[in-house]
Amino acid sequence: QQQVKQSPQSLIVQKGGISIINCAYENTAFDYFPWYQQFPGKGPALLIAIRPDVSEKKEGRFTISFNKSAKQFSLHIMDSQPGDSATYFCAARAPQEGAGNKLTFGGGTRVLVKP
Amino acid sequence: NAGVMQNPRHLVRRRGQEARLRCSPMKGHSHVYWYRQLPEEGLKFMVYLQKENIIDESGMPKERFSAEFPKEGPSILRIQQVVRGDSAAYFCASSPTSASTDTQYFGPGTRLTVL
Repeated sequence: QQQVKQSPQSLIVQKGGISIINCAYENTAFDYFPWYQQFPGKGPALLIAIRPDVSEKKEGRFTISFNKSAKQFSLHIMDSQPGDSATYFCAARAPQEGAGNKLTFGGGTRVLVKP
Repeated sequence: NAGVMQNPRHLVRRRGQEARLRCSPMKGHSHVYWYRQLPEEGLKFMVYLQKENIIDESGMPKERFSAEFPKEGPSILRIQQVVRGDSAAYFCASSPTSASTDTQYFGPGTRLTVL
């Protein structure tokens, strides 16, 4: 029930195209859904996050769409650039009183943007 | 403001040796999370600590693994009698509080190779 399933595993997109990454979850207690970007040899960095009371959030070229009834959320990268080539992870958090903020991660999507 | 620091960045151990991984959280952060990333996989939660306390170790193997976050100094993840299956990237993240709105900031990771 703690699992977050992410697809596709890898994605190739032309410069200027749209990258779409999807995640699905089972645990309805999840209340916070961040996306992280990771470059080779680096730690993950927060890209954008959403809460389930919002259906969409946009920051620059990055948009999260959230479908609470379907228990799915997705990341859209508009006007993809070669510098966006990285691995993207979705994650989710279930509130636990006094037990912190641990994240459950999807398996990751490796995005390659071709010039 | 320095980010999350981890050292060493790379660690090579032979089977049966001990591995010690260090994590210095961001200044002002008193909450530390450790995650493990196996090759081509997402991050898996291991343990959550506050200063001098282990709050949640539900993701940590019961044997050979231990973690601490002393009053002074970095958080330490200790792996005794390492085996080849321990080879992975180990990331720590820190946050200022345990609030769900707090971002977890990740360090660059320690890549452990067990020969």
